[in-house]
Amino acid sequence: EVQVLESGGGLVQPGGSLRLSCAASGFTFSSYAMSWVRQTPGKGLEWVSAISASGGSTYYADSVKGRFTISTDNSKSTLYLQMNSLRAEDTAIYYCARISGSYFWGGRYFDYWGQGTLVTVSS
Amino acid sequence: DIVLTQSPGTLSLSPGERATLSCRASQSVSSSYLAWYQQKPGQAPRLLIYGASTRATGIPDRFSGSGSGTDFTLTISRLEPEDFAVYYCQQYGSSPWTFGQGTKVEIK
Repeated sequence: EVQVLESGGGLVQPGGSLRLSCAASGFTFSSYAMSWVRQTPGKGLEWVSAISASGGSTYYADSVKGRFTISTDNSKSTLYLQMNSLRAEDTAIYYCARISGSYFWGGRYFDYWGQGTLVTVSS
Repeated sequence: DIVLTQSPGTLSLSPGERATLSCRASQSVSSSYLAWYQQKPGQAPRLLIYGASTRATGIPDRFSGSGSGTDFTLTISRLEPEDFAVYYCQQYGSSPWTFGQGTKVEIK
């Protein structure tokens, strides 16, 4: 059974940093691209970042470019999101999602999602 | 960015009734690269439909998707109690991926 489990959320002050993790199981992690998607009551679902199966290609939403870094550790079947210079508007539930192929373009969608981890940016 | 507008915002129906949800794109969605997800309170979104009309693994055949270009529809032929949830459309044909704001299907 495909499972992805996020961790690392919490309360952080504006300007601070946080690293989210997503542990995957039930599939060959190194064969799939992965992504982070966040959700807020006001803005709904917003795609944040994606990484190819090889880790060689990454892609970011304009709203987080230059502040967030996505990475993977295939030996641990784990996806990460390093979030720096956090802002109040980054407050959201962050979901880890598997992409339906090894690369994130070419008609790829999110086929499995984790339960999410809450990030709150507030002083 | 492609903006997806879902309607109605809320659909109040009874079990056994038919639900028709709409998703309209601000520009044509490439190759009908449109997906539908279901989300229940406190849970992650679940993939229902991809490619506008292909059901994902394990999705009952009461769920069907249709449409192309800028207009897409998710139909639930006969609502079961477990179908009351929020439904989102998402396009994955153009960068960046974008989602609609959701349609809540509630029990009347």
